[in-house]
Amino acid sequence: DTGVSQNPRHKITKRGQNVTFRCDPISEHNRLYWYRQTLGQGPEFLTYFQNEAQLEKSRLLSDRFSAERPKGSFSTLEIQRTEQGDSAMYLCASSSRAATDTDTQYFGPGTRLTVL
Amino acid sequence: AQSVTQPDIHITVSEGASLELRCNYSYGATPYLFWYVQSPGQGLQLLLKYFSGDTLVQGIKGFEAEFKRSQSSFNLRKPSVHWSDAAEYFCAVGARGSQGNLIFGKGTKLSVKP
Repeated sequence: DTGVSQNPRHKITKRGQNVTFRCDPISEHNRLYWYRQTLGQGPEFLTYFQNEAQLEKSRLLSDRFSAERPKGSFSTLEIQRTEQGDSAMYLCASSSRAATDTDTQYFGPGTRLTVL
Repeated sequence: AQSVTQPDIHITVSEGASLELRCNYSYGATPYLFWYVQSPGQGLQLLLKYFSGDTLVQGIKGFEAEFKRSQSSFNLRKPSVHWSDAAEYFCAVGARGSQGNLIFGKGTKLSVKP
């Protein structure tokens, strides 16, 4: 169990550019979540995958945001035409439906996005 | 709608003193409840969780929390704080049977005086 990993850890971009983040969940975890955390706030849910299916999306996830989880393993979160308001920490979490650890989400270190 | 309230934005305690961080939730049934800790610039680490059974749950680093249904609370406690406990603490609620997200409070920042 190597934990949830996220890359890159930091990303600085100019307004209008596209960015893509990657999340590798804990192996054998079939559920994967994306959250956004702005300064002074708790994480806010963006979207959720069970295996490769995207089952839930928040209203926070505008049309400029897209997430994928091909083959039910790693996931990518892309933001198109970034805006300064997209500056935040993007957190990934994974969980398993194993009987001993139902619905416990384990978080990665996050990707800090700064849009100039 | 589900919600989580952490009334204290910032708490300062002396090293060795006891600690209690408050968390109140709003939910129509008994939820799953979690406490996470976040160090600056880092992700969230799970401290403890309540799913069912004993309402007093033990976690890592000497933390415990008590679920009180009548008060819709899940307060986090530690009998003796260490300087390394300085961090931000988040309470979260998840819906039973849900496949999705956690709802987080806004967090309580803990500072520890030497």
